Amino acid sequence: GESVGLHLPTLSVQEGDNSIINCAYSNSASDYFIWYKQESGKGPQFIIDIRSNMDKRQGQRVTVLLNKTVKHLSLQIAATQPGDSAVYFCAEGVNRDDKIIFGKGTRLHILP
Amino acid sequence: GAGVSQSPSNKVTEKGKDVELRCDPISGHTALYWYRQSLGQGLEFLIYFQGNSAPDKSGLPSDRFSAERTGGSVSTLTIQRTQQEDSAVYLCASSAGTAGDTQYFGPGTRLTVL
Repeated sequence: GESVGLHLPTLSVQEGDNSIINCAYSNSASDYFIWYKQESGKGPQFIIDIRSNMDKRQGQRVTVLLNKTVKHLSLQIAATQPGDSAVYFCAEGVNRDDKIIFGKGTRLHILP
Repeated sequence: GAGVSQSPSNKVTEKGKDVELRCDPISGHTALYWYRQSLGQGLEFLIYFQGNSAPDKSGLPSDRFSAERTGGSVSTLTIQRTQQEDSAVYLCASSAGTAGDTQYFGPGTRLTVL
């Protein structure tokens, strides 16, 4: 089926360090992008989104960067905490009336 | 309710049996989505309902899968003649409007086909 993103990798980060999770998307026509966090046994939870007319957007401890030239999306988490342990998914959508497509995700593991 | 609910939370069935999975979206949300998530994998889009429009069924993997949404609210995903490869977590999400709005996910139904 349709897919976006890389094979599911695991990123291990020391508690307190910054985390950077990367995603490559496939459709150059996509005009909005979302990051979701999924904790074990739960459904995904919205973190932050960005439109294609922006290249950076900041939230609370999180920043999303969009590079349309190379079709790359990243999520930066500042001062990583144990509660940040989860699988992070990027997703893309072509227009507001279309479905969004999720990538396979990245597992973030926090080292004590 | 406060969020999206799904039932049952777990379903174990025998190969060849039919199953029905239920999703109650957030009240007032016009968009409803079904996804499938296999162990350690990403979310596979199945079907998307938006208001009274014809649903986008492009993600349904076979004709054994169907879904309906009654009265613009509750949705049921039906899998006929289940196969072992259907084993997965089935997630439902709803959003307030179009696909660009935040999707709120339910806890999922874990389906195991023996």
